[in-house]
Order: sequence, then structure tokens, then C-alpha cells
Amino acid sequence: DSGVTQTPKHLITATGQRVTLRCSPRSGDLSVYWYQQSLDQGLQFLIQYYNGEERAKGNILERFSAQQFPDLHSELNLSSLELGDSALYFCASRPGQGFTGELFFGEGSRLTVL
Amino acid sequence: KNQVEQSPQSLIILEGKNCTLQCNYTVSPFSNLRWYKQDTGRGPVSLTIMTFSENTKSNGRYTATLDADTKQSSLHITASQLSDSASYICVVANNAGNMLTFGGGTRLMVKP
Repeated sequence: DSGVTQTPKHLITATGQRVTLRCSPRSGDLSVYWYQQSLDQGLQFLIQYYNGEERAKGNILERFSAQQFPDLHSELNLSSLELGDSALYFCASRPGQGFTGELFFGEGSRLTVL
Repeated sequence: KNQVEQSPQSLIILEGKNCTLQCNYTVSPFSNLRWYKQDTGRGPVSLTIMTFSENTKSNGRYTATLDADTKQSSLHITASQLSDSASYICVVANNAGNMLTFGGGTRLMVKP
């Protein structure tokens, strides 16, 4: 158990809909990172927050947005969903704001868009 | 362009056998390289970290090597077990600490 909690574990929705994925980082971790993993693909970095502020942005679509709240949990909002958005979405956390330390990953949220 | 290439893409071995996974990178300037193990449908878990000055590091039956001159790393698994079946991902951090580059992973299947 990494200490990172993601909900929901599974989500099935229809094209055009909007969903919110939630992540609670490890206790004491200030950074949260979101990754997308499509079927049989590698992990694609979406976005990073540190202590409530956006720190780095990767290949995140304009239809996607995220935020980190004062209690440090984070939400990833996916809107106008398309079939190609079906994927595993992972949240990871670590104490600092850089990328050199170990990332602790949650178990992921599996999104299926029908 | 920063890239991490892993080979082979997939590998099937018999239980008890050894195997070696490869990782070549072009990330510069280099900070560290981690190998993660990802069980199917689960989040990745760090196995080892290699910094510029380290050549070899072991974690149980897993041994990672790093050649910073040729920008190559390998992960050797000894006496494989069924539970080693997973994807192994090579991740390289740049020295500025602002970027991670993920390899596509090697999918290992250990058969009885």
C-alpha cells in the first residue's frame, strides 16, 4: 500500500459526459502528479500540483483540468469525454516539488467511455 | 529530444530462469534513473534508483546496472518467480529536477 488513495477505482460513462477523479496523497506529501495510461501504452504525464499551485504541465488536453485543494487532495476533471479517453488514470505523490525523488503511485482509476 | 527506449517490449521466460531488461536514454543532463515494477492494473512501485556515480545496485533478486557514458541501464532478474510477471518501467529524471521521461516498459511473463 503506497498510501495514495484514488477514487473511484472504476468508472463507466458515455461520450460527451464529464467525470471527476479524486486523489488523496500520502500524509505529508505536498506534490501530486497525474498520469494517463492508455491500453498497452506507457505512462503519459498530465499535470503536477505542489501545495495547491500548478507546477508543471504535460500532455494534458484542454478538455481536462485539475486542482489541488488546501487539504492537499487533488481532483482531475475530464469533460466532453471521447472514446479515446478510456484509460487508467494514476495519481502519484511525493514530499517535494521536483521530479528527482521517488513517486508513490495510487492504484489508479479505470475510466471506460462508451 | 529526451527519450527513454526499453527492450524487449515483451518477454516470456520459464520460472526459475534469469532475464535482463534493457533501457537506453538520451535525457540530458542526467540526474537519476529508476526502475519501477507495475503489476497489471496496479500502480507502479519503485524497485531501484541509480544515480550518476552508481554502477550497480541490488534489491533482492533484482540487480540494476548503469553505464552513464553509454546512457544504458539494465535490470537483471535472477531465479524468476511467477510473481515477477509485470511491466518494468525505466524512468529517467533530468538534472534540473523538472522532468521525468518514462520508457514504454517491458512486459514480462513468467510461466511455470
